[in-house]
Amino acid sequence: DAGVTQSPTHLIKTRGQQVTLRCSPKSGHDTVSWYQQALGQGPQFIFQYYEEEERQRGNFPDRFSGHQFPNYSSELNVNALLLGDSALYLCASSLARLAGPPGMLETQYFGPGTRLLVL
Amino acid sequence: DQQVKQNSPSLSVQEGRISILNCDYTNSMFDYFLWYKKYPAEGPTFLISISSIKDKNEDGRFTVFLNKSAKHLSLHIVPSQPGDSAVYFCAAGNTPLVFGKGTRLSVIA
Repeated sequence: DAGVTQSPTHLIKTRGQQVTLRCSPKSGHDTVSWYQQALGQGPQFIFQYYEEEERQRGNFPDRFSGHQFPNYSSELNVNALLLGDSALYLCASSLARLAGPPGMLETQYFGPGTRLLVL
Repeated sequence: DQQVKQNSPSLSVQEGRISILNCDYTNSMFDYFLWYKKYPAEGPTFLISISSIKDKNEDGRFTVFLNKSAKHLSLHIVPSQPGDSAVYFCAAGNTPLVFGKGTRLSVIA
């Protein structure tokens, strides 16, 4: 059973460039969330995709955009890169819980991340 | 404004003893809590979770306790093993998950 995979593992870009990161969810999962983890911080929510639409978004500028494909895989795009965008980008997949007891959440499973360095 | 706080950046424990990792939250709307473990160069790995309708959940050596009135949860690892050495993140919420900054646990043989 393949877990969450991400590509590439590492990436170096210069300021102003654009980058695309990719994620394949765990088998059977239909929801993908993206997180940014800066050094010494916990992961911060960027956005979540379900049924090829952005379902929820965190406090990130429009330079951060995404896409989900019919096979549930997802891309994260960042335009006009800034030095402060250097971070570990994590993808997490889960199965949408459309019904069930309140307070329950389908556990999110994380990929190994893509480490982005902006020079 | 940090909604989930892990106030101890690091913790050292002897092998075989109990490790207690703490987490505080401010948002009373949070109804689900999780602990993740992270090794270097890997993504966070889900460890254990607890719903707000419970006050304790146990899975092998790992137990999570939730005190809703104090807005506090803790993760107990008994007995601690060297392989438990990692960064532990507390997360809360539903969608999205809100993470703490993590506590680095070192289990000394």
